Amino acid sequence: QQQVKQSPQSLIVQKGGISIINCAYENTAFDYFPWYQQFPGKGPALLIAIRPDVSEKKEGRFTISFNKSAKQFSLHIMDSQPGDSATYFCAAIGTGANNLFFGTGTRLTVIP
Amino acid sequence: DSGVTQTPKHLITATGQRVTLRCSPRSGDLSVYWYQQSLDQGLQFLIHYYNGEERAKGNILERFSAQQFPDLHSELNLSSLELGDSALYFCASSVAGGRGTGELFFGEGSRLTVL
Repeated sequence: QQQVKQSPQSLIVQKGGISIINCAYENTAFDYFPWYQQFPGKGPALLIAIRPDVSEKKEGRFTISFNKSAKQFSLHIMDSQPGDSATYFCAAIGTGANNLFFGTGTRLTVIP
Repeated sequence: DSGVTQTPKHLITATGQRVTLRCSPRSGDLSVYWYQQSLDQGLQFLIHYYNGEERAKGNILERFSAQQFPDLHSELNLSSLELGDSALYFCASSVAGGRGTGELFFGEGSRLTVL
């Protein structure tokens, strides 16, 4: 059973547009939600993360929006650039846990 | 460069065979995680070791085993290989037990192809 559900599977956005990737979870014990970015041939790397005590976190062009009541969180990439083309994974980890649960990934392509 | 080293980068073998994947964590990191990445399943957690001890097990098959050595490097052993075992295997490390930080540092992976 997938602990974290991610959509869409793939996304094509024009340069300068907004990319939005959504994730949902069921386990209320999750209390830390990171996003990872993976370029072809490389391992995933931490991009940005949020704890559920805040509804939004922004770092440059990347913003996480968090809706605790709906158990949903999303990544927004503003002014998307071709260099943002990568696979993005949302993830979650909970109290007492020792491992991250990853979503299935979203392959983002930004067209020049 | 994440500082995590995985070898080999590519491996082609036949069904029924056994392979060993190796991971050297970042200097100072005590935790090592193994993940399997396939096209339709994303990143599947296999196992976590902390300072030589197994801490958590995920969807790891009985044909697979792992260990972390005193020098903190880790090995993932895959035996009786099947076609479906073909995937990218990632190792990741973190300073502590990984609890609540989400800050894992991934290697570049070992691509296993079973023919």
